[in-house]
This record gives sequence, structure tokens and C-alpha cells, in this order.
Amino acid sequence: DGGITQSPKYLFRKEGQNVTLSCEQNLNHDAMYWYRQDPGQGLRLIYYSQIVNDFQKGDIAEGYSVSREKKESFPLTVTSAQKNPTAFYLCASSLGTGGMSYEQYFGPGTRLTVT
Amino acid sequence: EDQVTQSPEALRLQEGESSSLNCSYTVSGLRGLFWYRQDPGKGPEFLFTLYSAGEEKEKERLKATLTKKESFLHITAPKPEDSATYLCVKSCCTGKLIFGQGTTLQVKP
Repeated sequence: DGGITQSPKYLFRKEGQNVTLSCEQNLNHDAMYWYRQDPGQGLRLIYYSQIVNDFQKGDIAEGYSVSREKKESFPLTVTSAQKNPTAFYLCASSLGTGGMSYEQYFGPGTRLTVT
Repeated sequence: EDQVTQSPEALRLQEGESSSLNCSYTVSGLRGLFWYRQDPGKGPEFLFTLYSAGEEKEKERLKATLTKKESFLHITAPKPEDSATYLCVKSCCTGKLIFGQGTTLQVKP
């Protein structure tokens, strides 16, 4: 089955610790994205990558970092610099980004709780 | 500023009671208009893409339509399993998506 997997589903961390969220896709999509979703707010873009070894900041990149070493994988690290890291994190992928409008397909999400 | 506004925020229907969800968007730079369904604690599930005014797409009890300024998601004879949050999303510029806040639909048996 083609799709996007995120792990773990739930993650608990102490304040001051960095944590890495996994995202893998087997859709052969070029573009991948990370969003965060908070109650009562729309999805907000953290980072996106159009191609391996390249990525761009989204609207709320501060306190986060990413890497794109393989086409299938786009891990997100939530660093201790992120002031309010508790949220629901969603990874997505699409065929491309520019030119035509490509729909994005989402993973199941990771709920991160930092105390 | 690019915006997507959905209304109502919440909608309660009886099973079988048809209705529509509204999505208004800033017109400039529209490359596509997407509808997603999101169940609690899960990622959004893609439903439809609309590209131009007058376009319609259907899937089971759902029909999405697009005008120059708005999109509607019509739900015909809904069932309890249609209960979810429905997201309207505008694609613009370099593929960046602008998300609406969503309409939370509850269908009671």
C-alpha cells in the first residue's frame, strides 16, 4: 500500500530536550512538508522540501530543523528553542510544488507533548 | 493577504438532512482549491481538487463546487459516518497551501 507513515503516534518529552519526528513516504513524491496543528487554528507550515538535499522554511520554522537525505524520508527535529512545542504534527507529500497545483497527501500525525 | 474563510464553524444535522458548507477565498493567485476531511486525531484525507469556476466534483454523498469567489461542499442525505471536520484549502503561488479553519460537522442518527 502506498502512503505516508509517521512515527511515533504519541510522543512525550521533557522541556529542554530535542526530539525527532519521523516521516516516510512510498508514493514516489518529490515534495514533502511539515505542518503543525493547534486547537482552533488552521494548519501552519513549518518546513518544506521540493527535492533531496534541499528544503525551505515555512511560516513558523523557528525552533525546528529538518533534513532530506533521501527522497522517501523527511524527519523533523523539534529543538529546545521551540517555545511552545506541544502540538499535533502532520507530514505531507505531493508530486511537486510549482506550476500545477498538486494536492498534498497527509500522514496520520504525531501528537507531541512536552512537559 | 491570502485568506480562506469557512462557514459555519460547526454544523449539526440530523441523518438525512442535506446541507452545504461554505468556503470563501481571496481570488488572486488561485491555482487550485482542495477539500479535505479530517477525523479527530488523524491526518486530513484528500477529497477533491477544483481548478476553475463552474467545476464540480462528486464522491458518494459529497459534491464540491467552485465559483469565482467561493466553494461549496454539498452533503446530500448525510449519515453519522460523515461526521468530521471538513477543510477548505487554497493552493497559490509556488504550491503553498492556505488552510481554512474548518467546519466541524456532526450528523446525528
